[in-house]
Amino acid sequence: DADVTQTPRNRITKTGKRIMLECSQTKGHDRMYWYRQDPGLGLQLIYYSFDVKDINKGEISDGYSVSRQAQAKFSLSLESAIPNQTALYFCATASGSETDTQYFGPGTRLTVL
Amino acid sequence: GQNIDQPTEMTATEGAIVQINCTYQTSGFNGLFWYQQHAGEAPTFLSYNVLDGLEEKGRFSSFLSRSKGYSYLLLKELQMKDSASYLCAVRAAGNKLTFGGGTRVLVKP
Repeated sequence: DADVTQTPRNRITKTGKRIMLECSQTKGHDRMYWYRQDPGLGLQLIYYSFDVKDINKGEISDGYSVSRQAQAKFSLSLESAIPNQTALYFCATASGSETDTQYFGPGTRLTVL
Repeated sequence: GQNIDQPTEMTATEGAIVQINCTYQTSGFNGLFWYQQHAGEAPTFLSYNVLDGLEEKGRFSSFLSRSKGYSYLLLKELQMKDSASYLCAVRAAGNKLTFGGGTRVLVKP
């Protein structure tokens, strides 16, 4: 079984709809992250959390919100989706060790029409 | 802020060697990562450097010079399955990663 899972894997929605993307992990990591990736571009950090009561904005948090429901779950919401939020969204986890390598989920492809 | 530069695309022949360069400017440095990403898939961890020098892992090696703000990823004995994007990422204060735009490597027979 995958250590980091994301649901849904693909989603098509309309402008103005509220969308939630979910991430779960079985790695036992405290740190979780949400990124978006646009075609041909690198990953941009949206939000991150170092434990259940910790939420931090990344580079591009406007238009997004998050909830850390438990150590293993971190969800990303688009309050009112717009077409330029069409992208590939990745969740990642890290242990907080010295290396603190981030491990990524399979991604959610979101299309906003 | 941080700025990370790497070439957009490189082409190489199966069995050859390719070197992907990454230069960075950061207000604080706490490690550099290389990830491999096949099209439409998740990035997967390749290597980590925090001290100057070369780290070797099988066919892949990564080098870091902190004074020059420079790293490279060396892929040896290229295989067709190495066709992918390679992402350079720098960790600064706060344990956040900043990613470069990625280098797409195309391996030809």
